[in-house]
Amino acid sequence: AQSVTQLGSHVSVSEGALVLLRCNYSSSVPPYLFWYVQYPNQGLQLLLKYTSAATLVKGINGFEAEFKKSETSFHLTKPSAHMSDAAEYFCAVTETGNQFYFGTGTSLTVIP
Amino acid sequence: KAGVTQTPRYLIKTRGQQVTLSCSPISGHRSVSWYQQTPGQGLQFLFEYFSETQRNKGNFPGRFSGRQFSNSRSEMNVSTLELGDSALYLCASSLPTGGNEQFFGPGTRLTVL
Repeated sequence: AQSVTQLGSHVSVSEGALVLLRCNYSSSVPPYLFWYVQYPNQGLQLLLKYTSAATLVKGINGFEAEFKKSETSFHLTKPSAHMSDAAEYFCAVTETGNQFYFGTGTSLTVIP
Repeated sequence: KAGVTQTPRYLIKTRGQQVTLSCSPISGHRSVSWYQQTPGQGLQFLFEYFSETQRNKGNFPGRFSGRQFSNSRSEMNVSTLELGDSALYLCASSLPTGGNEQFFGPGTRLTVL
């Protein structure tokens, strides 16, 4: 069965500090992994995706994530947080592309 | 390309009523999925349609139903509304192969009074 666990429903960082949002997945086959961002009153927007090419994936707005099979993790990072990064972040997994499984989300607060 | 559109954006209903939400996917996308989003619950998968057929279904009661038309537009219906159905309902479309991401609409905010 596929599932996603996002550790930390709320994360606060200072502006300019490292952002680290954690995602662990379970999957019986090599998965496809995604990070989405959601701003208030909007739908989800894709940040980046892993599709079995490079294990370090670069996305939009300076975010990147590393696929670690041994740890079943796909953590999202950004070297320096901006105020505009404050949003809800979701990790998702799919094996087939037919059904996606989302984590419960991490709300990121950026402190000026 | 136009994005995923959802109508209406906001709805207020009372308990016991029914509601129909509409989703128009990105042109060329034949897979449409629906999610319910509530605070603290993340995105709960409702169902997925491809070529007018429901391929996957989440763990929701039968009051929640959907359909897809030949032009890939999709509707979902909730009958006998309950207070707990208040949520943001998101529609997403995608190309139906493994590595393709889902593209989300802005959602329909349903409030049940």
